Amino acid sequence: GESVGLHLPTLSVQEGDNSIINCAYSNSASDYFIWYKQESGKGPQFIIDIRSNMDKRQGQRVTVLLNKTVKHLSLQIAATQPGDSAVYFCAVPRAGGGADGLTFGKGTHLIIQP
Amino acid sequence: KAGVTQTPRYLIKTRGQQVTLSCSPISGHRSVSWYQQTPGQGLQFLFEYFSETQRNKGNFPGRFSGRQFSNSRSEMNVSTLELGDSALYLCASTLDPSGNTIYFGEGSWLTVV
Repeated sequence: GESVGLHLPTLSVQEGDNSIINCAYSNSASDYFIWYKQESGKGPQFIIDIRSNMDKRQGQRVTVLLNKTVKHLSLQIAATQPGDSAVYFCAVPRAGGGADGLTFGKGTHLIIQP
Repeated sequence: KAGVTQTPRYLIKTRGQQVTLSCSPISGHRSVSWYQQTPGQGLQFLFEYFSETQRNKGNFPGRFSGRQFSNSRSEMNVSTLELGDSALYLCASTLDPSGNTIYFGEGSWLTVV
C-alpha cells in the first residue's frame, strides 16, 4: 500500500527565516497531496494541497513543490512566525479520492527559535 | 460556518468497557471519515461513511465500528476497550468522496485505564 515518509522528525528555525519541510511518497500513481498543520491539543488544519498536474502551488506565506520524478514534495513557509510552531503532516489518498482515507506521514515538529 | 464538531472532547474509560464518540460534519458535507492518532502509530485511517454507508475501512479490528445518520452526523464505537485504544480520535468531513478538501475536527481524547 501507499506509504508516506518525512525526512526530519524535528526542524528548528529562527523566527523570520524560511522553513522547508520535506516528504516522500511511495506510489507513483498518487495524484493528490495535502499538507496539514497540527497545533498542540488540536486537530489537523488544512494548509494547502496540490494535484499531480502541477509542480508548484502558492498560498499565503506557504508554497508546496511537487517532484513526481523522485516522488517528493515539500512545504515552504516564508518568514516563519511563532504561530507556525506545530507538527506538519503530508498526506496522500489511499486510493481514489481523499475521502477513501488518507495516508499520513509521521510528521515534522517545527520549532521556532526567537 | 461551524467546523467539524466532535463530542466528547475528553473521556476516561476502563478496560473492557465500550465507548461511543460523536461527530457533526461541516454543514453540507456528506462524507465523514474517522482516524486514530497515537504517538507510536501516528494518524491512521479507521473508516469512511457516505450516504449512511461505510465505503472504506482501514486495518482495525472489528471492535471498531461506526455509523452515519441521514443528517450526515456520524458515531464511532469501540467495544471491549484495551489499554492500546488510548488515543486521539479524529473525525473529518468533506463534501463528497470525489476528493474535495478534507477538514478535521479537534478530536476526542480517549484514555483507557
